[in-house]
Amino acid sequence: NAGVMQNPRHLVRRRGQEARLRCSPMKGHSHVYWYRQLPEEGLKFMVYLQKENIIDESGMPKERFSAEFPKEGPSILRIQQVVRGDSAAYFCASSQGAARSGANVLTFGAGSRLTVL
Amino acid sequence: QKEVEQNSGPLSVPEGAIASLNCTYSDRGSQSFFWYRQYSGKSPELIMSIYSNGDKEDGRFTAQLNKASQYVSLLIRDSQPSDSATYLCAVPSNKLIFGTGTLLAVQP
Repeated sequence: NAGVMQNPRHLVRRRGQEARLRCSPMKGHSHVYWYRQLPEEGLKFMVYLQKENIIDESGMPKERFSAEFPKEGPSILRIQQVVRGDSAAYFCASSQGAARSGANVLTFGAGSRLTVL
Repeated sequence: QKEVEQNSGPLSVPEGAIASLNCTYSDRGSQSFFWYRQYSGKSPELIMSIYSNGDKEDGRFTAQLNKASQYVSLLIRDSQPSDSATYLCAVPSNKLIFGTGTLLAVQP
């Protein structure tokens, strides 16, 4: 039973390019969460999605960032016109049900490490 | 006030000692609490969850919850160098809210 799969594991982009990070949740999980971790900092919530719906995007920067979780296929975090400050590890997590119930544990993927030159 | 607060550390303990990691949270309505461990360069992994006041033990790990004081802690007995990592406290709302983590260094 594969866990949460993220790709690419490492991505290098030049300033102004686009970055696309993909996340396939665990089998049976329909809730996906994206977190960003800057070097030497904690995990910052970005966005929470359920199939085809954005539930909470309160942690997403207002510009250049978008996320989707289509009916078919992985969730995608898209960063347009990347800047050096976007360099970070981006973690995806999934759960079977909503995190608020407390019983639904989040399982994390290995992360995608974005470097902007 | 931050929703989940932890001392960033580093907390340094000798091998074999008890490491005590602490976390406070602001939402009195929180019902469940999680401890994740994150090794450098790796992703977080769940090590403990606790839902009721009191202690919950799992091997060398004990989670302690005091809802009246809005305080949750993690004790690691017989600390090993392999326990050296960042320990993240997390509280669910409609997502999981993490503290900034405490870096634990176990000295051989």
